[in-house]
Amino acid sequence: EAGVTQFPSHSVIEKGQTVTLRCDPISGHDNLYWYRRVMGKEIKFLLHFVKESKQDESGMPNNRFLAERTGGTYSTLKVQPAELEDSGVYFCASSLHGTGNFYGYTFGSGTRLTVV
Amino acid sequence: GQQLNQSPQSMFIQEGEDVSMNCTSSSIFNTWLWYKQEPGEGPVLLIALYKAGELTSNGRLTAQFGITRKDSFLNISASIPSDVGIYFCAGPTGNQFYFGTGTSLTVIP
Repeated sequence: EAGVTQFPSHSVIEKGQTVTLRCDPISGHDNLYWYRRVMGKEIKFLLHFVKESKQDESGMPNNRFLAERTGGTYSTLKVQPAELEDSGVYFCASSLHGTGNFYGYTFGSGTRLTVV
Repeated sequence: GQQLNQSPQSMFIQEGEDVSMNCTSSSIFNTWLWYKQEPGEGPVLLIALYKAGELTSNGRLTAQFGITRKDSFLNISASIPSDVGIYFCAGPTGNQFYFGTGTSLTVIP
């Protein structure tokens, strides 16, 4: 089975521009999560979708970040306008049964975002 | 939110050496997880620990769930070059995982 796919793998944008990251979860996984790792720090939770509904968006840093999951399949995370502190690696993960089955919780390879 | 501190932050070791790293939390967790992130890849689960005091092995890896439920340890025996990567501890709470700051491991052949 295909894993969690994220693209682009790298993005370099200027401060003030807009960037959209995409995540394709494993087929059939209703749960989709976004995380972010800022250089040298911990991987931090951003939000959780169950199908197309936002279950928990408590980790979203501010209103410059907008996540969508139309139709409950792939998800996008848009940053508009981007700031320097938004640089980091953005990970997406998907699972069939939420956090209950840890071995079924699969991460993508991440998108490395650099804002200059 | 919960804070997980990992130490050491980075390690440079010779191939064949054993490695120890640990993770401490400001809060109690009922489950501890250890992940490995290889360059250019996402985190992959290595070991899950479910009970205080539990000691679990996965090949050359051994992890322990601390008695206080606020810490966990990961040991790698007889390291090899492919052990290189960043090792993260994590604790699940609700629908999210809290991750540690990571231990970067470099193995010198």
